[in-house]
Amino acid sequence: GQQLNQSPQSMFIQEGEDVSMNCTSSSIFNTWLWYKQDPGEGPVLLIALYKAGELTSNGRLTAQFGITRKDSFLNISASIPSDVGIYFCAGAWGAQKLVFGQGTRLTINP
Amino acid sequence: GAVVSQHPSRVICKSGTSVKIECRSLDFQATTMFWYRQFPKQSLMLMATSNEGSKATYEQGVEKDKFLINHASLTLSTLTVTSAHPEDSSFYICSGSVNTEAFFGQGTRLTVV
Repeated sequence: GQQLNQSPQSMFIQEGEDVSMNCTSSSIFNTWLWYKQDPGEGPVLLIALYKAGELTSNGRLTAQFGITRKDSFLNISASIPSDVGIYFCAGAWGAQKLVFGQGTRLTINP
Repeated sequence: GAVVSQHPSRVICKSGTSVKIECRSLDFQATTMFWYRQFPKQSLMLMATSNEGSKATYEQGVEKDKFLINHASLTLSTLTVTSAHPEDSSFYICSGSVNTEAFFGQGTRLTVV
């Protein structure tokens, strides 16, 4: 099935550093969603984006819906140990059917 | 956010048997729910769209006779893996949507021995 191109695939950072990850697609979406998944759990919604160019924050998280509707980024500022996990982007059309990126595995060294 | 409850969280079954997984929307009604499959260290792949009161829509390559989906009410969808084989071992996750935001269940780890 179709997948989004998400990068980087993995990140190893020091606690306190900022993190940036992004997703690109050859298709246009009308919704971009960012999720975090902990081992053995389902994904948890972090941020939802609905308009091209929209910039939305949720605490230390900031995400943007690209102007072309084909990309999105997620930034995490001042990382803490509980930020460890796998982050997925997902694009959706009106039918709410999601297409996921491959995931970014975040590891934080204390 | 909305709450989706999935049960069981883990199940081990013998090869050839069937396993049923339940997905419930606890605080909203879901006319549509989605079933995903996730292999280790991989992303989620959509298996099928579950439609309340009608037949599910399966993605290409997903066997509808093997993965039976029933969506009999606005708050419950079930996925039954029939005649399970070891290659069906995976993490299965359901989701329901409120407006355009999808909320996921906790997932079910299926191991077929």
